[in-house]
Amino acid sequence: GENVEQHPSTLSVQEGDSAVIKCTYSDSASNYFPWYKQELGKRPQLIIDIRSNVGEKKDQRIAVTLNKTAKHFSLHITETQPEDSAVYFCAASKGSGYSTLTFGKGTMLLVSP
Amino acid sequence: NAGVTQTPKFQVLKTGQSMTLQCAQDMNHNSMYWYRQDPGMGLRLIYYSASEGTTDKGEVPNGYNVSRLNKREFSLRLESAAPSQTSVYFCASNAGLDQPQHFGDGTRLSIL
Repeated sequence: GENVEQHPSTLSVQEGDSAVIKCTYSDSASNYFPWYKQELGKRPQLIIDIRSNVGEKKDQRIAVTLNKTAKHFSLHITETQPEDSAVYFCAASKGSGYSTLTFGKGTMLLVSP
Repeated sequence: NAGVTQTPKFQVLKTGQSMTLQCAQDMNHNSMYWYRQDPGMGLRLIYYSASEGTTDKGEVPNGYNVSRLNKREFSLRLESAAPSQTSVYFCASNAGLDQPQHFGDGTRLSIL
């Protein structure tokens, strides 16, 4: 089955800095890659996703890049703010037939004022 | 529009007791999921229902059963609770293949 590795497990940055979280996946058939943000005690919420026919996608301060050859994808957050502090999860799934998401173990991002 | 609603929000059980976690969605989604979340382990899929009338095992199904009662509702049952099942349980739903999943607020379950 699919295996998703996520690094780093914790990331501390100063407000205004950029943050990058990286994920690798094992199944070359995977072609859908969402990112979720989970604040303490809250539900995971989708912040951005990318499909394999696209190399990069951007939404205001967040962007995701995908390298299918290397089987890795990354989340980039620019101009970080304290409210960006949360746990971020990457995930991957295949597109053929019915498929389920496999999640990484998460990255705790701490943004200091 | 409530989205995905889970009940109860908190529950404490004794080892060997049984209980059912309830999940309902009002987005007319075809697919529903149950995950458990443990510290440092991310979200692990317990069971899912691709469409009304079907259910399938996920990564960690042992000790659980599910019922897709209708298109809106998907319940998770612990027949004989064990301390290892102490966790936060999330229900999610989506419209289908490779569509964003929407999560409920979770059920925090402690088994003593």
